[in-house]
Amino acid sequence: QKEVEQNSGPLSVPEGAIASLNCTYSDRGSQSFFWYRQYSGKSPELIMFIYSNGDKEDGRFTAQLNKASQYVSLLIRDSQPSDSATYLCAVKTYNTDKLIFGTGTRLQVFP
Amino acid sequence: NAGVTQTPKFQVLKTGQSMTLQCAQDMNHNSMYWYRQDPGMGLRLIYYSASEGTTDKGEVPNGYNVSRLNKREFSLRLESAAPSQTSVYFCASSQGPSYEQYFGPGTRLTVT
Repeated sequence: QKEVEQNSGPLSVPEGAIASLNCTYSDRGSQSFFWYRQYSGKSPELIMFIYSNGDKEDGRFTAQLNKASQYVSLLIRDSQPSDSATYLCAVKTYNTDKLIFGTGTRLQVFP
Repeated sequence: NAGVTQTPKFQVLKTGQSMTLQCAQDMNHNSMYWYRQDPGMGLRLIYYSASEGTTDKGEVPNGYNVSRLNKREFSLRLESAAPSQTSVYFCASSQGPSYEQYFGPGTRLTVT
């Protein structure tokens, strides 16, 4: 089992819809969770981070964390074509200094 | 602030050649990281430096060495390049291991 798993996609949603991206992790000691966006040919760009169970909202983005079920999700409201990118989930566990990245989910928002 | 900068942006090497990838950050971050990204493999950690004066191996350290020159700079060296090292290399930095990482623009390396 991979430490951090994401569906590779592509996830296709129409403009204006809600895009839901999911990530599961295997280590129950995980403590910090990050979402990055990566456009083709560019470097990863931090969108949000979340440390506590529940929801965290920032503009059109909401991160949701459920430690009991070991998943973290990213919701993008009012999706725009400019949101089309690969979204990377990253997790930090308690006893390491490293982030473990998932392989990413490709999101396509069509007009 | 420039954030995280990397040089060069592109590089082509022949098998067996050596080179050093440079990374610098101006955010006064303590921790710095080197990743490689290959299609379908995601980001894989090569080496990291949790704080100035320390370096540790990541997931794929073979064939690489690093130097944490000072708090700002963290270099990655390929002593004898191999075609398997063809990849995109990203440097990142963070305030500390528990904090979010910020990435540089990347170096596209091709080894022929």
